[in-house]
Amino acid sequence: DGGITQSPKYLFRKEGQNVTLSCEQNLNHDAMYWYRQDPGQGLRLIYYSQIVNDFQKGDIAEGYSVSREKKESFPLTVTSAQKNPTAFYLCASQGFRDGRVYNEQFFGPGTRLTVL
Amino acid sequence: QKEVEQNSGPLSVPEGAIASLNCTYSDRGSQSFFWYRQYSGKSPELIMFIYSNGDKEDGRFTAQLNKASQYVSLLIRDSQPSDSATYLCAVIITGGGNKLTFGTGTQLKVEL
Repeated sequence: DGGITQSPKYLFRKEGQNVTLSCEQNLNHDAMYWYRQDPGQGLRLIYYSQIVNDFQKGDIAEGYSVSREKKESFPLTVTSAQKNPTAFYLCASQGFRDGRVYNEQFFGPGTRLTVL
Repeated sequence: QKEVEQNSGPLSVPEGAIASLNCTYSDRGSQSFFWYRQYSGKSPELIMFIYSNGDKEDGRFTAQLNKASQYVSLLIRDSQPSDSATYLCAVIITGGGNKLTFGTGTQLKVEL
């Protein structure tokens, strides 16, 4: 059963703490993305990775960090430098499957982060 | 000017009617366009993609693309209460690789 998983579903963080959000996919997709969504707003790109061991900043990368050591995994760390981290975080993947390159992105279920 | 613009709504339509959702984009060179549906508290789900001018139909959904006027629309026929959601338009902007740029979404309410 192929798909994208994110964990945890809900996460609570105290101010000053770093937290890491997990994103795993078994779709054999090359590209992976992290978005942030605030209430009533669209998706804003945090970081993306087109290939293993390479990633680029998106529009709102400050206060976040990522790694891409394996094709299947793209964890996001929300650092204490991110001043307003409470949001819904979405991971997506995109790429080659069934013999074709696809431009569509497919999303995981999301992680809702709340700062206490 | 925002790269991808949508009316935030809410757009209210009666059950059984046609819902028309519109999206305009600023990059004339854009080639790939997507519609996602997002239920409250859930992640976006891909409904349609369209690459060529004209209409593309899939069940009750029709995507319409007009590159000359730089708009893409989504029609939902025979609207059902289960169609009530926020619909996000996304575009691949020229020079952005394969990144999608999203609009802020239109909230659709289908009323009984």
